[in-house]
Amino acid sequence: DGGITQSPKYLFRKEGQNVTLSCEQNLNHDAMYWYRQDPGQGLRLIYYSQIVNDFQKGDIAEGYSVSREKKESFPLTVTSAQKNPTAFYLCASSPSGLAGEKETQYFGPGTRLLVL
Amino acid sequence: GEDVEQSLFLSVREGDSSVINCTYTDSSSTYLYWYKQEPGAGLQLLTYIFSNMDMKQDQRLTVLLNKKDKHLSLRIADTQTGDSAIYFCAESIRSSYKLIFGSGTRLLVRP
Repeated sequence: DGGITQSPKYLFRKEGQNVTLSCEQNLNHDAMYWYRQDPGQGLRLIYYSQIVNDFQKGDIAEGYSVSREKKESFPLTVTSAQKNPTAFYLCASSPSGLAGEKETQYFGPGTRLLVL
Repeated sequence: GEDVEQSLFLSVREGDSSVINCTYTDSSSTYLYWYKQEPGAGLQLLTYIFSNMDMKQDQRLTVLLNKKDKHLSLRIADTQTGDSAIYFCAESIRSSYKLIFGSGTRLLVRP
């Protein structure tokens, strides 16, 4: 089956700890995205990557970091600098990430991050 | 600026039609999307419409676009309890790599 997987489903973070959320896709998509969803709000873009070894900040990148060493994988690290990390994190991918083209984004099932 | 707005909540009776509305501000929208999110899950693409179209129908779903008023709607015919979810509209704009999402409309279908 083709799709996007995210793990873990739930993640707990202690104060001062960095945690990494996994995102893998086997759709052969070039572009990948990380969004944050807070209750009652829409999705806000954290980081995106249009190609391997390249990524750009989105609207709320502070306190987060990413890497894109492989086409299939786009892990997100929530660092201790992110003071309010409790949220639902969604990973998405699209065929090429070209601006304004019909670039349907397909989403993974999400990871819920909670702070202890 | 970029802004997408939706009403927060809609309640309908099973078998009735549901209409979820969305307004956007950026006139350079190219595609507009409707996504569905069930509790604790990711977003599932329902349908999309190109900005030069007025209407698109896909089985029980009808999308209407009024580009002059920057208004998008999603009509679900014969709404079922399985349609209960949060529905997000989103736009892609010509100059940008990203989708702009509304805050979502929670649809509750009463038996």
